[in-house]
Amino acid sequence: DIQMTQSPSTLSASVGDRVTITCRASQTIDSWLAWYQQKAGKAPNLLIYTASNLESGVPSRFSGSGFGTEFTLTISSLQPDDFATYYCQQYNSFPLTFGGGTKVEIK
Amino acid sequence: QITLKESGPTLVKPTQTLTLTCTFSGFSLSTPGEGVGWVRQPPGEALEWLALLYWDDDKRYSPSLKSRLTITKDISKHQVVLTMTNMDPVDTATYYCAHRQKTITVATRFDHWGQGSPVTVSS
Repeated sequence: DIQMTQSPSTLSASVGDRVTITCRASQTIDSWLAWYQQKAGKAPNLLIYTASNLESGVPSRFSGSGFGTEFTLTISSLQPDDFATYYCQQYNSFPLTFGGGTKVEIK
Repeated sequence: QITLKESGPTLVKPTQTLTLTCTFSGFSLSTPGEGVGWVRQPPGEALEWLALLYWDDDKRYSPSLKSRLTITKDISKHQVVLTMTNMDPVDTATYYCAHRQKTITVATRFDHWGQGSPVTVSS
């Protein structure tokens, strides 16, 4: 199985901050990585696919980058609606695996 | 517009079999490329993929749970059913069904999710 490791597990930030979350794969997954946002009590929402492609309807302050084993999700200017937990997921091979999540909290 | 909704029991006893139904609209599982998966999330924990069913009846399962899972479809009812046998308290979680976003890879990501179905395993 491909293990996905996210860091940090918790991040405290203020509105307007630039935020970066890292996701590392235990083996290469090329660009087959997705990022999701999940708010408390809600289902995950797809933000980014194929490492850097913005899903339709997602604000442009979200961006993704990376290839191989190291990936980042960046929020250029944190907004109140962005306080949530973020997960990466690899779809290079089965079993599909998710990272442990990064909770973005209000500082 | 794609929507999915899970239904099933909220409480099951240990050793029982869980049956969850995902009723969807906005696509057909007879259309090439389509697929529906199941993902669960224990309280306060991360997401865990369980199973995926493709339009051509190809089925993929999490290796750690494969012996306990069965995923099937009813095209006419627009439903996908997941059964999990021998339930245990550690299986307490919210169970989500999700639509496969078409990709060139066989493995996949999910672009639409149901609201989730909470399941507690307790005697």
